[in-house]
Amino acid sequence: ETGVTQTPRHLVMGMTNKKSLKCEQHLGHNAMYWYKQSAKKPLELMFVYSLEERVENNSVPSRFSPECPNSSHLFLHLHTLQPEDSALYLCASSQESGPERPQHFGDGTRLSIL
Amino acid sequence: QKEVEQDPGPLSVPEGAIVSLNCTYSNSAFQYFMWYRQYSRKGPELLMYTYSSGNKEDGRFTAQVDKSSKYISLFIRDSQPSDSATYLCAMRGKGAGSYQLTFGKGTKLSVIP
Repeated sequence: ETGVTQTPRHLVMGMTNKKSLKCEQHLGHNAMYWYKQSAKKPLELMFVYSLEERVENNSVPSRFSPECPNSSHLFLHLHTLQPEDSALYLCASSQESGPERPQHFGDGTRLSIL
Repeated sequence: QKEVEQDPGPLSVPEGAIVSLNCTYSNSAFQYFMWYRQYSRKGPELLMYTYSSGNKEDGRFTAQVDKSSKYISLFIRDSQPSDSATYLCAMRGKGAGSYQLTFGKGTKLSVIP
């Protein structure tokens, strides 16, 4: 496996369900990110973890709960979501040293809330 | 005023054409500028990365940054059907802890054979 891998690729869930999205990076990076991508809107940064510590939380509702157990893995735990949460959820990683630090993305989880 | 403006298109060009994609921004603190390509049902893929003003060329792709005008461009020469995708501009400030990338909405490009 190379790059950034996200599972599942598609998820359909009811508003009362609990599920988790998983992200794994094989690039040796030490920062990981969750983004939300909705139609006709720019990518929205949700959470940032650097060296396994959460460093940004962009006013995301508490029904989204991130977890970063180590520098290679990132989870997004979901519970009691709303229909407006239907979107593509993208994970990214970067190396937090040097000036550039480009972010590399996975292919996302397409989430549909019934 | 939105921080990053990008015409969503769609933009349709014939194969072999030169394509020009653009973004404007309002935050003068942005120092690093990126272009991502996103194919349908895939994640964004980093295409070009530039720092401050100037040009950068990579094969058929050229990125330009004009900080005085707060304007960035991506040129694609000899466009191919495989270039059909959505192109996202992104930018961020400088310094440790400047994690936040600000994205444009993306421009959908179709290259017609």
